[in-house]
Amino acid sequence: AQKVTQAQTEISVVEKEDVTLDCVYETRDTTYYLFWYKQPPSGELVFLIRRNSFDEQNEISGRYSWNFQKSTSSFNFTITASQVVDSAVYFCALIITGGGNKLTFGTGTQLKVEL
Amino acid sequence: DAGVIQSPRHEVTEMGQEVTLRCKPISGHDYLFWYRQTMMRGLELLIYFNNNVPIDDSGMPEDRFSAKMPNASFSTLKIQPSEPRDSAVYFCASSQGTVNQPQHFGDGTRLSIL
Repeated sequence: AQKVTQAQTEISVVEKEDVTLDCVYETRDTTYYLFWYKQPPSGELVFLIRRNSFDEQNEISGRYSWNFQKSTSSFNFTITASQVVDSAVYFCALIITGGGNKLTFGTGTQLKVEL
Repeated sequence: DAGVIQSPRHEVTEMGQEVTLRCKPISGHDYLFWYRQTMMRGLELLIYFNNNVPIDDSGMPEDRFSAKMPNASFSTLKIQPSEPRDSAVYFCASSQGTVNQPQHFGDGTRLSIL
C-alpha cells in the first residue's frame, strides 16, 4: 500500500523567509507520480506540480522549487522569500501506475506567513 | 477554460433529508472523482468514474451514499438519508487520460447536516 507522510502539521514564518515543506512517501512500485497541491483559505485545491519517478531533476518555478530524491523517498517543496499570499495548506500526493487513478494524499502542512 | 464546476457551494440541511451534490468536469476529461475532506480523516476518495462508468466505489462509506454519471459532462453524489457525521467538504475532480495527468479540483461543496 502507498503512504504519504507530511510530518510538519503547521509551520509559521515571517514574510520573506524561505520555508521548506517536507514530504516522504512509501511505495513498492517503481513507476509512480508525485504531486503537490495548495489549498488556500478559500478552500479550493490547486494543482502545483507533478513529477514522475524517473525524473529526479529539481524544478524551479518562480519562488517555488521542488527537490525530488528517490534515495530518501522524499519530494520536498521550498518557497523562497515567502509572502502572506502563500499562506495555505499544502498537500503532497502519490499515485502509482496499476493502481487506477487513485491519489494518496498526505495529511497536509498548514503554512502561515506573517508580516 | 472553465474548470471543474460544483454546486451548491454550501448546503445546510437537517438530518434525514436527501442531499444532492453536482459536478461538471472539465470538457474532454474522461475521469471524474468524488472526494470528501474532514479534519479527522483528511482527503478521502469516495468513488471515481472513467468514461461515465464507475470504476472503484470502495471509498463510499455506506449505502446511504450513491453516485451517478449519466453523461460526460455531469455527475451527482447523493446522500439519503443524511446524518450529522456526513458534514464535510465534498470535492469533485477530473483528469484526462492516464495516471500521470493531474487531477483538477472544483471549489468544493461545504455540507453541514444539522
